[in-house]
Amino acid sequence: AQSVAQPEDQVNVAEGNPLTVKCTYSVSGNPYLFWYVQYPNRGLQFLLKYITGDNLVKGSYGFEAEFNKSQTSFHLKKPSALVSDSALYFCAVRDGGATNKLIFGTGTLLAVQP
Amino acid sequence: GAGVSQSPSNKVTEKGKDVELRCDPISGHTALYWYRQSLGQGLEFLIYFQGNSAPDKSGLPSDRFSAERTGGSVSTLTIQRTQQEDSAVYLCASSSGLAGGKSNEQFFGPGTRLTVL
Repeated sequence: AQSVAQPEDQVNVAEGNPLTVKCTYSVSGNPYLFWYVQYPNRGLQFLLKYITGDNLVKGSYGFEAEFNKSQTSFHLKKPSALVSDSALYFCAVRDGGATNKLIFGTGTLLAVQP
Repeated sequence: GAGVSQSPSNKVTEKGKDVELRCDPISGHTALYWYRQSLGQGLEFLIYFQGNSAPDKSGLPSDRFSAERTGGSVSTLTIQRTQQEDSAVYLCASSSGLAGGKSNEQFFGPGTRLTVL
């Protein structure tokens, strides 16, 4: 079965510093990986996805993610964090069945201190 | 264009009552999903609609939960005889569910926060 793991419940970073939010995956077949962000009292917003091709994927709001097949990881990164990046981040993998449903990680709360 | 909309945004109900949650997907999106977000359970899949095909109900937690999608657009999630453990945020998502749509991202609505007293 497809799954993703987010090993950190919370990540703290100072504004202006680089940030990384970790995600590892376990899939059979080719992985379809996604990152979503959730701001307080809001729905999930799509950030980026990896389907195939370049291992470095660029997304919204200056975020990028690096797909690493040997380490089965898909970490989310940003070179310079903003206070407004503070939110809950979810990694997800597409289910291998016919529904294409998303299997989500448990989420990582990113706190950017001014 | 409009995104996915859900109503109501908040719903407080008493244990044992029935509730209906509504989702309006993005126009033209054939795939529609319901997820539930609750403390301790994270985000879990509930049900999936694709066009006129039979829905995938494999994620529904009990037979008190049901959903329908009329005319291939609006969907309603119904919870009968609500229990306190049903308290959660119910999220709807839609995507362009074309053949080979595994790569298509899902667009989420703002959710309905359900509180069962």
